[in-house]
Amino acid sequence: DSGVTQTPKHLITATGQRVTLRCSPRSGDLSVYWYQQSLDQGLQFLIQYYNGEERAKGNILERFSAQQFPDLHSELNLSSLELGDSALYFCASSVQGAEETQYFGPGTRLLVL
Amino acid sequence: GENVEQHPSTLSVQEGDSAVIKCTYSDSASNYFPWYKQELGKRPQLIIDIRSNVGEKKDQRIAVTLNKTAKHFSLHITETQPEDSAVYFCAAPGTGAGSYQLTFGKGTKLSVIP
Repeated sequence: DSGVTQTPKHLITATGQRVTLRCSPRSGDLSVYWYQQSLDQGLQFLIQYYNGEERAKGNILERFSAQQFPDLHSELNLSSLELGDSALYFCASSVQGAEETQYFGPGTRLLVL
Repeated sequence: GENVEQHPSTLSVQEGDSAVIKCTYSDSASNYFPWYKQELGKRPQLIIDIRSNVGEKKDQRIAVTLNKTAKHFSLHITETQPEDSAVYFCAAPGTGAGSYQLTFGKGTKLSVIP
């Protein structure tokens, strides 16, 4: 157990819908990262938050947004969902920055029908 | 930004043999290189990392080597066991504005045949 929690574990929804994925980082970690992993694909970095502020953006679609709250938990919002958004979404956390061990959560498996 | 290439994409070895996975990176100022292991259906987990001030680091059957001049680093697994079967990812951070994120390689699926 990495100490990073994600909810829900599984999510099935329809095209055009909006969903929210939630992540709680390890105690003491200030940075939260979101990744997308499609079938047989690597880990695509989406976005990073540090202590409540956006720090880095990867290949995140405009339909996706995220935020980190004062208690440091983070939410990833996916809207106008398309079939291609079906993937495993991981959250990871680290104490501060990318040059440290990132601890991954168990992931949320999203299926868009 | 950083570009990380990883080879091979799949690797099959007999139990007890060694496995080597190689990665190259583009940003010569990168100075932190982790390796993650992802078992089927599970989360990625850090197995070893190396910083640019050393050329090699070992942890039991796992070692990582770094060649900063050539901008490549490699994962070496000796005396492979069936439980080593997994997907392995290398990664590197960028520098400047890109230093806040890790860029991952596309992964190597290692199969250890008993």
